[in-house]
Amino acid sequence: DGGITQSPKYLFRKEGQNVTLSCEQNLNHDAMYWYRQDPGQGLRLIYYSQIVNDFQKGDIAEGYSVSREKKESFPLTVTSAQKNPTAFYLCASRGAATDTQYFGPGTRLTVL
Amino acid sequence: SQQGEEDPQALSIQEGENATMNCSYKTSINNLQWYRQNSGRGLVHLILIRSNEREKHSGRLRVTLDTSKKSSSLLITASRAADTASYFCATHKAAGNKLTFGGGTRVLVKP
Repeated sequence: DGGITQSPKYLFRKEGQNVTLSCEQNLNHDAMYWYRQDPGQGLRLIYYSQIVNDFQKGDIAEGYSVSREKKESFPLTVTSAQKNPTAFYLCASRGAATDTQYFGPGTRLTVL
Repeated sequence: SQQGEEDPQALSIQEGENATMNCSYKTSINNLQWYRQNSGRGLVHLILIRSNEREKHSGRLRVTLDTSKKSSSLLITASRAADTASYFCATHKAAGNKLTFGGGTRVLVKP
């Protein structure tokens, strides 16, 4: 099946720990995006990547880091510098010929 | 920053009624998109309307765009309980090739 997957679905982290969220797509899309969603709110862009080995900061990049070593994968690391990391994290990808984004099912991160 | 702002924030209707929600934005756009999100899930793309289009239809969905007023509306006709979800508008500007999402409208369709 073609699509975009995120793992894990639920993630718990102790304060002070870094944690990495996985995002994989087999749609052959060049562009990938990470968003954060707080309860009852819209999506805010954390980082995005238009092509392998390149990425740009979004609106709320502080406390987060990414890598894009493979076209299929765009992992997000939530570092201990992120003061309020509890949120729902969504990954998306986009093909070259469209402006439409395809979303994964999300990862809910809770800091204990 | 959130360019799109949806109105109302929440909407409760009976099955069979129409649901209308609005989106306003601040700067020039390339296109505007509407997405749907079921509770705890990812977003699903519904429809895209370009800046040179005024109205677009897809099944029971009707979207309008007024670039002079920087606003868009999404109409869901003959709503069903399965339409219960949050609906988000997202604006696309050519530079940066990224979307800016609004805060969403939560729609509850009662059977």
